[in-house]
Amino acid sequence: DIVMTQSPDSLAVSLGERATINCKSSQTVLYSSTNKNYLAWYQQKPGQPPKLVIYWASTRESGVPDRFSGSGSGTDFTLTISSLQAEDVAVYYCQQYYNTPRTFGQGTKVEIK
Amino acid sequence: EVQLVETGGGLIQPGGSLRLSCAASGFSFSSNYMSWVRQAPGKGLEWVSVIYTGGDSYIADSVRGRFTISRDNSKNTLYLQMNSLRAEDTAVYYCARDTRFGVFDYWGQGTLVTVSS
Repeated sequence: DIVMTQSPDSLAVSLGERATINCKSSQTVLYSSTNKNYLAWYQQKPGQPPKLVIYWASTRESGVPDRFSGSGSGTDFTLTISSLQAEDVAVYYCQQYYNTPRTFGQGTKVEIK
Repeated sequence: EVQLVETGGGLIQPGGSLRLSCAASGFSFSSNYMSWVRQAPGKGLEWVSVIYTGGDSYIADSVRGRFTISRDNSKNTLYLQMNSLRAEDTAVYYCARDTRFGVFDYWGQGTLVTVSS
């Protein structure tokens, strides 16, 4: 199974400042035949189900604000919130879909400083 | 509007069985892969099982031999039969629409399964 490891486990950022979350996979999730990274990011607010934010490592889901961006390739990925808003307080998870079983990172809790 | 509504959770004793259901609407259910993902209290997300459009399925090692995923396209409903339940199966169980690539683009609100004596 591909192990997904996120860092940090939690971070506190001031409103309007940048938040950066890292995700590392134990093996590549870049499919050579498609040149796509099979990596997604989800946002989960308290008491709610997860919500898809980013897929293909850098494609924003429809309706997601453009302050959210994804980057990286191969085994190292980043989710960036360029200007943190109060409504962005949540736990963020990365997930690989390169193979089955699909696996998630342990989550990163984002709070307001 | 895509809607996924899970039912069937509850309190069950260790060793017992439960069947979860997920009623889907707002999209072509039969044309989509569907998955179950669970979340233990205060913990992260764990993918459980996927069922493909043709009925083939894949299940996580942690529940293989105890859980079975199925679907009824005539009822637009996804199921998870859970047998020989253990305390560590206690979680909120979400059904999710699974794109053909393995991204979960829609999620239900979840149903809580508590395994305890």
